[in-house]
Amino acid sequence: GAGVSQTPSNKVTEKGKYVELRCDPISGHTALYWYRQSLGQGPEFLIYFQGTGAADDSGLPNDRFFAVRPEGSVSTLKIQRTERGDSAVYLCASSSVGGSGANVLTFGAGSRLTVL
Amino acid sequence: GNSVTQMEGPVTLSEEAFLTINCTYTATGYPSLFWYVQYPGEGLQLLLKATKADDKGSNKGFEATYRKETTSFHLEKGSVQVSDSAVYFCALSAPDSGGSNYKLTFGKGTLLTVNP
Repeated sequence: GAGVSQTPSNKVTEKGKYVELRCDPISGHTALYWYRQSLGQGPEFLIYFQGTGAADDSGLPNDRFFAVRPEGSVSTLKIQRTERGDSAVYLCASSSVGGSGANVLTFGAGSRLTVL
Repeated sequence: GNSVTQMEGPVTLSEEAFLTINCTYTATGYPSLFWYVQYPGEGLQLLLKATKADDKGSNKGFEATYRKETTSFHLEKGSVQVSDSAVYFCALSAPDSGGSNYKLTFGKGTLLTVNP
């Protein structure tokens, strides 16, 4: 597509529920990233995919968070047993190169998650 | 570890005023530096970048110069417009021990409001 698409744009859920957030990157972009932006903060790195594999998941806060990219395109961020502290905007980005060089990331508009 | 400190906002200016948003960084190695902008309701967009010391990034009338000696990358614009109202994020990416350079570290963001 023309840009990075994220769905849903807004998600309200109850504490303890399971949530999936979807990212559709720019066609042909091999690198895909998830970031989390809490209120009043800058985005924080969660996970980076190169193709289908997670090259770096060091930013995932705990084992309730998991992300997949089975066909090297669309990615899903999965959060189990949601907690109020998970409330944030989850940003997805993609780029045509990964690893070295001054990467230029294209970000989606984000999925705002609110856990009640 | 890597970190970015940017001027706290909010910043409110009148149209045609001069803008400076300060940004300093701490990084291992030689980082690339970026300014991203987030307009209301939209995703983060790359505004400008610089990849080595003394480089000047520029776009849409905005400029920032990579100053290694002061570890700074201040954003400036000579005459702001109402349409520049947005949140501005300073960010860096620094190579890790393997030479990979994909992870962005962001500042907290500065909200700029320009009044007519």
